[in-house]
Amino acid sequence: QTVVTQEPSLTVSPGGTVTLTCASSTGAVTSGYYPNWLQQKPGQAPRALISNTSHRHSWTPARFSGSLLGGKAALTLSGVQPEDEAEYFCLLYYGGSWVFGGGTNLTVL
Amino acid sequence: QVTLWESGPALVMPTQTLTLTCTFSGFSLSSSGMCVSWIRQPPGKALEWLALIHWDDDKFYSASLRTRLTISKDTSKNQVVLTMTNMDPVDTATYYCARVDGSSWTVDYWGQGTLVTVSS
Repeated sequence: QTVVTQEPSLTVSPGGTVTLTCASSTGAVTSGYYPNWLQQKPGQAPRALISNTSHRHSWTPARFSGSLLGGKAALTLSGVQPEDEAEYFCLLYYGGSWVFGGGTNLTVL
Repeated sequence: QVTLWESGPALVMPTQTLTLTCTFSGFSLSSSGMCVSWIRQPPGKALEWLALIHWDDDKFYSASLRTRLTISKDTSKNQVVLTMTNMDPVDTATYYCARVDGSSWTVDYWGQGTLVTVSS
């Protein structure tokens, strides 16, 4: 069974920069896994942030960026705002099926 | 403007079959590349991908739930239906549908979700 792993929790100071990563048990994550990143706040539905590794949606603030880093998909937040405190999930494509990561709980403190 | 919304029973008895409907607007599932996916999230836990249906009626399922899931579409009604058989209390979750652009495997628009509780 394929497992996608994210950091369970991270803490960042307001105005700081933080990178969340997403690893696959099958090996290095490449663009062929079409990494998507989602943000979810308590009591809300997930909201898409990044698709296809690095594509921002029209509603995604420019401080969010996606990339591939050291064999993993990565989401970098630069100039973190208090409203960025949330759970972040990555989603990888495996040729027909998809697998979510376990999520990263980001605290802005 | 793309919107999706999920509907179905809030309470299901163990062993029963769950039927959920995703009704959408702002796009057509007959357009090349368009897909709709179902995802669920047990209370306090991570998201879990369940199933996806393509514009050409190709279907994909979670390996762990494949035997219990069926996804179908009614293009004329702009609806996608998910059935899950033999429901168990561990299937208690919020169930979401989402649009997927199959040309770039972009998951973009999500419904608000519907909470399904499995209990006797």
